[in-house]
Amino acid sequence: NAGVTQTPKFQVLKTGQSMTLQCAQDMNHEYMSWYRQDPGMGLRLIHYSVGAGITDQGEVPNGYNVSRSTTEDFPLRLLSAAPSQTSVYFCASTRDRYSYEQYFGPGTRLTVT
Amino acid sequence: SQQGEEDPQALSIQEGENATMNCSYKTSINNLQWYRQNSGRGLVHLILIRSNEREKHSGRLRVTLDTSKKSSSLLITASRAADTASYFCAPLPTSYGKLTFGQGTILTVHP
Repeated sequence: NAGVTQTPKFQVLKTGQSMTLQCAQDMNHEYMSWYRQDPGMGLRLIHYSVGAGITDQGEVPNGYNVSRSTTEDFPLRLLSAAPSQTSVYFCASTRDRYSYEQYFGPGTRLTVT
Repeated sequence: SQQGEEDPQALSIQEGENATMNCSYKTSINNLQWYRQNSGRGLVHLILIRSNEREKHSGRLRVTLDTSKKSSSLLITASRAADTASYFCAPLPTSYGKLTFGQGTILTVHP
């Protein structure tokens, strides 16, 4: 049982490039979320999904796209990277929609130059 | 914002001492959760307290919740150097239904 996995661990992009951050969980959780963590800002919700085929926006969705074709995978796409997207990105999954106790991945550190 | 706000922002103590962190929030909640984040790692769930509970214990952790004051506290007793981490409170609002996080308290425990 690997829990929540994220790839890559580190990534450097140039402004305007696109890329996909991968997230997968093997716990059969319906709920999955993407957060970004910036110094002094805490964690901010980007997008979330309540099940395969269903996604919704969080607090800071602009510049990001998500899809959920399977229960296991929830990739985050950066459409045209900007320096403001330099951050640490965390994926999380939730077993229980009522308690919302979250299991986090190890994070992806992204730098946009 | 519906997120919790932790206080203090940073706390430095000696091994063996107790550490107390506080959290305030703004809206009605289903529950409030505390998470720990070690440097460079993802967050790890520590404890959940429901809105109808006032106190909960888990090992060296004690959490209290005062819904009338919209506040919670996390007490770590007999702290260890390994407790050095950032601690986040996360209230789950009743109306919004998604967990929100504050900026965290950075705890440093000196051996």
